[in-house]
Amino acid sequence: NAGVTQTPKFQVLKTGQSMTLQCAQDMNHNSMYWYRQDPGMGLRLIYYSASEGTTDKGEVPNGYNVSRLNKREFSLRLESAAPSQTSVYFCASSEPGRFSYEQYFGPGTRLTVT
Amino acid sequence: DQQVKQNSPSLSVQEGRISILNCDYTNSMFDYFLWYKKYPAEGPTFLISISSIKDKNEDGRFTVFLNKSAKHLSLHIVPSQPGDSAVYFCAASGGGGSNYKLTFGKGTLLTVNP
Repeated sequence: NAGVTQTPKFQVLKTGQSMTLQCAQDMNHNSMYWYRQDPGMGLRLIYYSASEGTTDKGEVPNGYNVSRLNKREFSLRLESAAPSQTSVYFCASSEPGRFSYEQYFGPGTRLTVT
Repeated sequence: DQQVKQNSPSLSVQEGRISILNCDYTNSMFDYFLWYKKYPAEGPTFLISISSIKDKNEDGRFTVFLNKSAKHLSLHIVPSQPGDSAVYFCAASGGGGSNYKLTFGKGTLLTVNP
């Protein structure tokens, strides 16, 4: 069981370039999430997918798009990268139930936009 | 506005002593609370949780206390070990009926000195 995997681990982009961050989980979870972590800011939710076929905006969605490709995979796309999107990006998955809200995180993608 | 607050950015304790990490929340709809631990260059890992119907949950060296009237929770680590040195995030769920999303605090860096 790999849990949640993310690719790539590191990426450097120039302003205006585009890229897609990939995430996959093998825990058969219905819900998946994308977060960004910035120094002193904690984890902020970008987008989430409560179940296959649905996606919703989180706290900081501007400049991003997502695709829930299937139950396993949830990708995050930056169409035109900006220096403000320099951050560490984490994907997570969960199977929400009554009093069971734990999310399981991937190792992260460190993105630098110059 | 920040719904989950961790007011201490850092905490330093001696090995063998108790570590107490604090978290406050403002949304009275939150009904489930979690603590995550994060090492550098890794994703957050789930540590312990508590539902609003309880005031204490214990798992080995880790105990979480919930004071609903004060909207306050704390994580106690006894005894603290150098391997506990990490960033600890408090998170809450259930606000507004959405049990999918977690709202995170900004984190507290715990350093346990040998």
